[in-house]
Amino acid sequence: SQQGEEDPQALSIQEGENATMNCSYKTSINNLQWYRQNSGRGLVHLILIRSNEREKHSGRLRVTLDTSKKSSSLLITASRAADTASYFCATAGSNAGNMLTFGGGTRLMVKP
Amino acid sequence: DSGVTQTPKHLITATGQRVTLRCSPRSGDLSVYWYQQSLDQGLQFLIQYYNGEERAKGNILERFSAQQFPDLHSELNLSSLELGDSALYFCASSVGLAAGDTQYFGPGTRLTVL
Repeated sequence: SQQGEEDPQALSIQEGENATMNCSYKTSINNLQWYRQNSGRGLVHLILIRSNEREKHSGRLRVTLDTSKKSSSLLITASRAADTASYFCATAGSNAGNMLTFGGGTRLMVKP
Repeated sequence: DSGVTQTPKHLITATGQRVTLRCSPRSGDLSVYWYQQSLDQGLQFLIQYYNGEERAKGNILERFSAQQFPDLHSELNLSSLELGDSALYFCASSVGLAAGDTQYFGPGTRLTVL
């Protein structure tokens, strides 16, 4: 079963605007990761934030993590048409095996 | 390109049949994971192998089985196929077992059961 929910399920913005996606999860985690999936293709790892971190940056991406609220957000700044994709958060627990539990994803459309 | 390869890209088969999906991990990665992505269930973890041994099991049906061979490639066997097994099946690999090890995903195999 999925770990949690992503919000919104779909987001449509203009190029140059910022996109914010939220993710909530249910159980304690070791880390939270964000992946991007272009239509029906493989997932691309974007960024990982550990449970003891609160914020992380990578290029135009900014991720925050609030373990007290069991939530995370992904901000894409100055979006481009090429950012159009589905974005998934995934959590890794403390159990052995490193399996990922994915959220339902946010479909982002960036209009040129 | 993640370095993870999966074959075949597409597979169309009939109910009741058996298929085998193949995955080659990135060079140097010892862990292989299988995930299923369907419209109703989303992305779900199925099973993980590390250096030939099963390490973790998720929502994998009894009709499904997997193995990892000495050369570290992995196969996912799906039998007695049902319409509901139609999905994208992803393989991912990571260097080890640590929770912080990044998983690199292959392009997936799209299975259609008619």
